[in-house]
Amino acid sequence: AQKITQTQPGMFVQEKEAVTLDCTYDTSDQSYGLFWYKQPSSGEMIFLIYQGSYDEQNATEGRYSLNFQKARKSANLVISASQLGDSAMYFCAMREDNAGNNRKLIWGLGTSLAVNP
Amino acid sequence: GAGVSQSPRYKVAKRGQDVALRCDPISGHVSLFWYQQALGQGPEFLTYFQNEAQLDKSGLPSDRFFAERPEGSVSTLKIQRTQQEDSAVYLCASSLAGSGDHEQFFGPGTRLTVL
Repeated sequence: AQKITQTQPGMFVQEKEAVTLDCTYDTSDQSYGLFWYKQPSSGEMIFLIYQGSYDEQNATEGRYSLNFQKARKSANLVISASQLGDSAMYFCAMREDNAGNNRKLIWGLGTSLAVNP
Repeated sequence: GAGVSQSPRYKVAKRGQDVALRCDPISGHVSLFWYQQALGQGPEFLTYFQNEAQLDKSGLPSDRFFAERPEGSVSTLKIQRTQQEDSAVYLCASSLAGSGDHEQFFGPGTRLTVL
C-alpha cells in the first residue's frame, strides 16, 4: 500500500542555517512523483518542489532541494539558509502515476519547523 | 484573483445540519480534488473530478458526503447530517490535465466545526 512517513514531528533550526526534513515512502509502482508542500499558520498549502521517480538529477528550487535516494525510498527536503518565514508545517506527498487518470496525493503527517532568530 | 478560492472560509454547524462547501478552481484547470485535513494531520483524499466526471470517490468517508461539479468548473462538497467527527479543514485543489502537470494548486480551505 502507498504510504508516506515523516518521522520528525517537530524541528528547530537557527536562522541562516540549513535543515533537512525527512521523508520515506512506500510504493510498488515504478512511476511516481514526490512533492513537498509548506503549510503556514494561515492554512494554505504552498507547493515547494517536485521529484519524478525517473528524474536522474535531484530537484532544486531556489533554497529548496530534494535529496532523492530511490533505493532507500527516501525524499528528504533540504532548506538552505533558513529564514524566519520558513517557520511552518511541511508535508511530503506522493502521487502514483499508474493510477489511471487519478493523480491524488498521498500525504505524510507533516513536520513542524521553527526557525529561531 | 487567479488562484483557487473556497467559500465559506469558516463554517460552524450544529450536529445534524447539512452543509455545502464551494470550490472555484483556477480557470481552465481540468482536474479538481477535495481533501480532508483533521487537526494535526496530513490531508486525506476524498474525491477527484476530471471536468464534470467524478472519476474517484473512494475517499469519501460515508454516504453522507457528496460532491459534484456539474459544469466542469465550480465544485460543491455537501455533507448531510453533520457529525462531530466531520470537523476538519476541507481543502480543494486543481491542476491541469495531462502528463506535464506536476503541481496541484490549493485553495485556502474551509474550516468546518460541528458542535
